[in-house]
Amino acid sequence: DAGVIQSPRHEVTEMGQEVTLRCKPISGHNSLFWYRQTMMRGLELLIYFNNNVPIDDSGMPEDRFSAKMPNASFSTLKIQPSEPRDSAVYFCASKPGQGYGANVLTFGAGSRLTVL
Amino acid sequence: GQQVMQIPQYQHVQEGEDFTTYCNSSTTLSNIQWYKQRPGGHPVFLIQLVKSGEVKKQKRLTFQFGEAKKNSSLHITATQTTDVGTYFCADPRGYQKVTFGIGTKLQVIP
Repeated sequence: DAGVIQSPRHEVTEMGQEVTLRCKPISGHNSLFWYRQTMMRGLELLIYFNNNVPIDDSGMPEDRFSAKMPNASFSTLKIQPSEPRDSAVYFCASKPGQGYGANVLTFGAGSRLTVL
Repeated sequence: GQQVMQIPQYQHVQEGEDFTTYCNSSTTLSNIQWYKQRPGGHPVFLIQLVKSGEVKKQKRLTFQFGEAKKNSSLHITATQTTDVGTYFCADPRGYQKVTFGIGTKLQVIP
């Protein structure tokens, strides 16, 4: 199993540009999570999906952020327009949702975003 | 909303010393998880505790869940440089979303 795959690993962009982060969860996992990690705020849950349906997006900072999960094997997190305060590491994670280890998160390697 | 509070945020220890991090919740937890994140890495699952008063060991790591299921601790005996990283407790709330504590960053001085 290749694990949770995120791209890009690093992104440097200028303020005002659109940023799209991508995630491929582990096959068979039915829940997908997007987290943002900063020194000041730690690991913040932005949004999570169950069976491709967004369940809780209360952590999404503002309308500039949007997330989609068009199918079970792909999700995107988009920031438009980006701002310097969006600079952080964005992690995608998935969990089985049922059976053994139902509630155990597997994280991707993260996407480090720098907005200049 | 419900949060898990974690202390301390930072801890420096000499190699060979013990280390403990604590996690507290204002409400009863159904269960609690612990993750470790190495510098530059991503969080990796260590363990989940479910039962009141539960104690589990992984080599030099001892995990405890309080009797009231409102607190938990992770204790490392005789730290090694390989223990460096940030340790998070997490609340897998109702088998839905998973909320993390702020984490305890451990530095081990050789």
